[in-house]
Order: sequence, then C-alpha cells, then structure tokens
Amino acid sequence: LAKTTQPISMDSYEGQEVNITCSHNNIATNDYITWYQQFPSQGPRFIIQGYKTKVTNEVASLFIPADRKSSTLSLPRVSLSDTAVYYCLVGVPVNDKIIFGKGTRLHILP
Amino acid sequence: GAGVSQTPSNKVTEKGKYVELRCDPISGHTALYWYRQSLGQGPEFLIYFQGTGAADDSGLPNDRFFAVRPEGSVSTLKIQRTERGDSAVYLCASSLTTSSEQFFGPGTRLTVL
Repeated sequence: LAKTTQPISMDSYEGQEVNITCSHNNIATNDYITWYQQFPSQGPRFIIQGYKTKVTNEVASLFIPADRKSSTLSLPRVSLSDTAVYYCLVGVPVNDKIIFGKGTRLHILP
Repeated sequence: GAGVSQTPSNKVTEKGKYVELRCDPISGHTALYWYRQSLGQGPEFLIYFQGTGAADDSGLPNDRFFAVRPEGSVSTLKIQRTERGDSAVYLCASSLTTSSEQFFGPGTRLTVL
C-alpha cells in the first residue's frame, strides 16, 4: 500500500472550513483515496472516497489534483462535534483489510 | 438497524490470565474483521473472516491470539496468557462482502495489570 503523510494534529474554530492534506507520492494507478473519521471511544467511520478530481457528499469534499500525489479533505463549517481523528488511506477499494496510519487529530475550538 | 456490537466494553484482567472478547456483526454481513488500537495509534489489522473461515490471520501478533467464528456470525477473539503489552482497544468490523464498506463497533478496552 502507498505510504501516506498527514499532519499529526490541527486546531480550528467552529464555523471555519477545515482542510486536511494528505501526501501519497507513491500512489499506484489502481489506488483510491479513502478517508475515515474516528470519534473518541468509537470505531472509525468511512466518510469519503475518491479516485481523481473532486468528490462531495453530505459530510465532506475530497479534492484530488491531476497527479494524485496528494489529496485534501475539506470539512465545511466545522462544529465542536467534528473533533476527531481523520485517517487518510490509499489502496484498492476492494480490500480485505485496512492499513491505518496515525491520522490527524483535529480539535475544534469554540 | 443495529450496528456492530462488542462485549464487554471494558475488561480488566491480570497478567497471565485468559480473556475472550465477543463481536456481534451486522446481520447478514459475511466478512468480519478484528483490529487492535493502542493509545495514539491507528487501528492495526489482526485477522479477518469470510464466513466461518479465517481468510487472513497475518496480523495476529503471536500464537497466544486466536479467533473463531463457528457459525459465520458472532466471533470471539481469544487471548491466552495475557501480557501487559496486550492492553489496547480491540475493534471489530463487519462488511457485507470483502469488497464493501467496513462498519466498526465501539471496541473493547482491554487492560492487563
């Protein structure tokens, strides 16, 4: 699986847009980019997946440049409840196991 | 509908004891996964089942760890002769198939004294 690099932690304020960037220089042609969210004392939860350009759902947007060597998870107008760890994963979507890194600890301040 | 459930939510045991952790997957999900998460780290894959059989147990750290899923639904992770280093949150996930989204349970926090 392609190695990913993302910030260890980030702080932001309620109502702001938060962008978390993940680097994956060795991404392979068949790899997809997937983001998971983990709240304290809960298991991870899938939030978004994309291959190229832009994907948007009710939770977030995912921006992927043409070279696919990085991606940005965008959370619009965050609230305190968005405080969580966000994991960037790269690999084929048909996958029997998920390899997690350390993720980005996002802390939303009032 | 009901999500993945895990029992107990917390387990405290003494070094050298045997423990069993239970996972109830979402009804109808054929694939079931176990992960272990240490403090400040992402979840680490242990084993996954397709139906009753263990399709990949490459993540089990040693032969003290064993998991079963005898009827293709509930799974039990068994740890023999527990060590303090086994302390972690043990997460279970299930998916409809191995190619679909995994849904995680809340985990069992194991503390070995």
